[in-house]
Amino acid sequence: KNEVEQSPQNLTAQEGEFITINCSYSVGISALHWLQQHPGGGIVSLFMLSSGKKKHGRLIATINIQEKHSSLHITASHPRDSAVYICAVYNFGNEKLTFGTGTRLTIIP
Amino acid sequence: GAGVSQSPRYKVAKRGQDVALRCDPISGHVSLFWYQQALGQGPEFLTYFQNEAQLDKSGLPSDRFFAERPEGSVSTLKIQRTQQEDSAVYLCASLAGLAGVSSYEQYFGPGTRLTVT
Repeated sequence: KNEVEQSPQNLTAQEGEFITINCSYSVGISALHWLQQHPGGGIVSLFMLSSGKKKHGRLIATINIQEKHSSLHITASHPRDSAVYICAVYNFGNEKLTFGTGTRLTIIP
Repeated sequence: GAGVSQSPRYKVAKRGQDVALRCDPISGHVSLFWYQQALGQGPEFLTYFQNEAQLDKSGLPSDRFFAERPEGSVSTLKIQRTQQEDSAVYLCASLAGLAGVSSYEQYFGPGTRLTVT
């Protein structure tokens, strides 16, 4: 079992739909990253959070430390949101990021 | 530029060739990471530098992989006698502080896509 699991693996939605991507982890963490990766491109950090909720534009990230679960929401989705979204965690006292396998999101116009 | 840069962006190597991949982190960033990302997978940790010291190389898959950061800035990942299973995107990331002490945000480069034929 991977330490970081994401669901769904693939998601296709119509433009304007509300999107939710989930991340569950099995280890104690100090922080969690949500990352975005476009095809052929590098990785961009969307959020880093260790508790509660963060919002940036149409993106919202939440984390529940007790349940070891985080969600990334996209409101009013747009085709330019199409990308792979990756959840990654910092283990306690460990410098490494452990990554999920990513969720491939496709928004259809 | 202000971001992490990597070169080359694409590299095709014949099996058995040696390759060298370069990472230029954000100026002043203390910590530098190398990751390997196979097709359709999330990145996996290879190695970590704090300044010029390689503090963790537990993720290097074999002794054919070698990384250095001699002056605490630019880093090179070298793969000797490349094999087909080495084909992947190699990502570099840097962060301003000391990883593991406080949770700083990592800044990723665009990656080098290595194809071994």
